[in-house]
This record gives sequence, C-alpha cells and structure tokens, in this order.
Amino acid sequence: AQRVTQPEKLLSVFKGAPVELKCNYSYSGSPELFWYVQYSRQRLQLLLRHISRESIKGFTADLNKGETSFHLKKPFAQEEDSAMYYCALSRSSASKIIFGSGTRLSIRP
Amino acid sequence: GAGVSQTPSNKVTEKGKYVELRCDPISGHTALYWYRQSLGQGPEFLIYFQGTGAADDSGLPNDRFFAVRPEGSVSTLKIQRTERGDSAVYLCASSFQDKNTEAFFGQGTRLTVV
Repeated sequence: AQRVTQPEKLLSVFKGAPVELKCNYSYSGSPELFWYVQYSRQRLQLLLRHISRESIKGFTADLNKGETSFHLKKPFAQEEDSAMYYCALSRSSASKIIFGSGTRLSIRP
Repeated sequence: GAGVSQTPSNKVTEKGKYVELRCDPISGHTALYWYRQSLGQGPEFLIYFQGTGAADDSGLPNDRFFAVRPEGSVSTLKIQRTERGDSAVYLCASSFQDKNTEAFFGQGTRLTVV
C-alpha cells in the first residue's frame, strides 16, 4: 500500500535553530517525493521535489531509499518558516499525489 | 495569469441535500485533481482527470460522490444526499500532463453539512 507518514503533528523550535521535519513512505516502486507547504491563509503550494535536488528558502530534502525517508531540513530556522508542511509522493508517471497528515512548524522568536 | 479558482469558497447545506462544487483550473492544464481535507488531516485523494476522462477515481468514498469535466477544463464535484461526515475542505489542483510536473492548488471550498 502507498502511504506517507509524518510522525510529528507539531514541531516547535527557536529562531536560528536547525529544523528537521520527518517523513517516511511505503511504496512498491520508485516514487516521486515532494514537500508541500501551506502558510497561514494561503493555498497549498509546492516547496520542493526530490528530483530537482534544489534548496528552496534554505530547505533541502534527501531521498533515502534504504530507509524510505525524505526528511526536510533547514540549518537555521526563520520566523517566516512557520507553516504546515506536507510530505507527499506520486508515481513517476504523474498521477495522484498521496499526502501525509502534515506537521505544523512553529518558530519561536 | 489567474491560478486555480474554486467556487463557492464556503458552502453550508442541510443534511440530505445535493451540492455542487466548481473548479476552474489554470488555462492549458490537462490534469485536474480533487482532494478532501478534514480537520487535522492531510489532503485525501478523491479523483484525477486527464482531459475529459477520469483517469483514477479510486478515492471517491462512495456512489454519492461524482465528478465531471465535460470539456476538459472546468470540473464539478457533485455530492448527493450529503451527510455530516462530508464536512471538509474540498481542494482542487491542476497541472500540465508532463512527468514530474507541479500541481497548483486552489484555495478550497469549505463545505459544512448541518
């Protein structure tokens, strides 16, 4: 079965501290992995995808196929990073996207 | 240009009534997705269109839910005999039908069944 697990509902860190949002997945095959973000009063939007290997707003995520993980990391958190973060996967041929339950990231000043 | 537009933004209906939720995708996007998001949960897949046809409707919870996209652009999600458990935010997204393309989401319709 295809599944995305985000074990933390809430993560609270101080400004300037490192951030790691955990994501594990189960999928039989080679999925595409994504992180989506939803800022307060805004619509859900793509933050990054594993195939791009980009750093967006200081965030990076490495796909670990052995551990079936796709954790999101940022070395120094900023207050504007406070938001809901959703890990997601889809088949490589572009089909439905399966989301995790989300982690609320709160950055304390 | 304009993003994905969903109407209405809020809908309150009585249990047992019929509702229609509309999605206007980004022009030129051939793929269209419907999701449902309950409080404290991530978006739950309902149905995916490629052009006019439903490529994957495995997420529709039961036969009270139906969606159409007759001209390959605007889509309507229809819910018959609404139940209180149908209350949620219904999200629509669209994308080009290319490998690994980005899906753009609408702001959602908040449906409340009383």
